[in-house]
Amino acid sequence: AQSVTQLDSQVPVFEEAPVELRCNYSSSVSVYLFWYVQYPNQGLQLLLKYLSGSTLVKGINGFEAEFNKSQTSFHLRKPSVHISDTAEYFCAVISFGNEKLTFGTGTRLTIIP
Amino acid sequence: NAGVMQNPRHLVRRRGQEARLRCSPMKGHSHVYWYRQLPEEGLKFMVYLQKENIIDESGMPKERFSAEFPKEGPSILRIQQVVRGDSAAYFCASSPPVNGGQETQYFGPGTRLLVL
Repeated sequence: AQSVTQLDSQVPVFEEAPVELRCNYSSSVSVYLFWYVQYPNQGLQLLLKYLSGSTLVKGINGFEAEFNKSQTSFHLRKPSVHISDTAEYFCAVISFGNEKLTFGTGTRLTIIP
Repeated sequence: NAGVMQNPRHLVRRRGQEARLRCSPMKGHSHVYWYRQLPEEGLKFMVYLQKENIIDESGMPKERFSAEFPKEGPSILRIQQVVRGDSAAYFCASSPPVNGGQETQYFGPGTRLLVL
């Protein structure tokens, strides 16, 4: 079985400040890792994914995430946030050979002008 | 290339009625997934289908819920005799032929079901 923990349900950040959204996972097998963003009343959009190779993954909108196998983490970062980054962010995993995503409970990012 | 389409976007039903949610995958995608998002929670996997086949329905409630993906037409998630606890956002995702989980799932805008 696999699970995902997003420790922060809400994160307020001032505009142009850096942000880190935390994600930890547990799985008995190797996993693929994803971050999705959900804007109000919309579906989910893929920000970035880690499949293999370099542990630092760059995504859209200036976001990046680092896979840390020893700490079973996949934290999402952005050096300078913008008002348009206000949204809910979901971390998700898929175990090797599986097809169903397991999601965390989400982190609501609020940007303060 | 149009994205994943879902309709209706909003659906209101009274307790005991049936709800039918439709999902048209992206062009070229043969795999469809349904997820449910309860208020203030993350998405939970319900079912994974390929054309005319249910591959994994481990997340589907045992009663009242069913899903299909016919040879022609959209995938349908059907909820019979809805109850208030079924109120949620239902998201459909699609992917190309799967390579062990590596293929990205692309999500539709969701159907928000409200049961009165």
